[in-house]
Amino acid sequence: KAGVTQTPRYLIKTRGQQVTLSCSPISGHRSVSWYQQTPGQGLQFLFEYFSETQRNKGNFPGRFSGRQFSNSRSEMNVSTLELGDSALYLCASSPGSTSSYEQYFGPGTRLTVT
Amino acid sequence: AQTVTQSQPEMSVQEAETVTLSCTYDTSESDYYLFWYKQPPSRQMILVIRQEAYKQQNATENRFSVNFQKAAKSFSLKISDSQLGDAAMYFCAYRSAYAGGTSYGKLTFGQGTILTVHP
Repeated sequence: KAGVTQTPRYLIKTRGQQVTLSCSPISGHRSVSWYQQTPGQGLQFLFEYFSETQRNKGNFPGRFSGRQFSNSRSEMNVSTLELGDSALYLCASSPGSTSSYEQYFGPGTRLTVT
Repeated sequence: AQTVTQSQPEMSVQEAETVTLSCTYDTSESDYYLFWYKQPPSRQMILVIRQEAYKQQNATENRFSVNFQKAAKSFSLKISDSQLGDAAMYFCAYRSAYAGGTSYGKLTFGQGTILTVHP
């Protein structure tokens, strides 16, 4: 099976712009989680989607949003970008609805805000 | 809220030797899962090993094994016969076993330990 894919891999945006990142989970996986990784804050949970529904959200401002499509692909959007949004954004997929499943990560999207 | 602490920012080991990475966690839950992930310079997070809290037996995966001490809330990773390819950042992570609310899809990570392997 193909792994989790994320596009684009690298992105440079200007403060105030908005950005959309995409994540395609492993075939058959229905849960997608998003994480932000920065040197200062480490890995922080953004949100999780299952069957097109957001089931959980981390402690991030409303500028961070996401959605999931019927084919389980997910997008996350960040509006009004700030310099502090520069980070590696990772998505992870898992097979089902229970917490017993491992999460498998994509290669990440490196976002730089200037 | 759960927290995960990795007290060793950096560790080093000689090739073919054994190294142990430490992790402690804090939770009021009795049922949960613990993981070790590896992140090499490529930044791809790779699952190394997982442990279910209800299992007393320590998990092993080839050269990787854990020492899970539930009462002490400790979860260390032992890498035997270290190889150059083991060099990476290692993250300890916690996941609640309870389905619902703030548990869905959320891994709580430690700050990571950079492992260097010397030839």
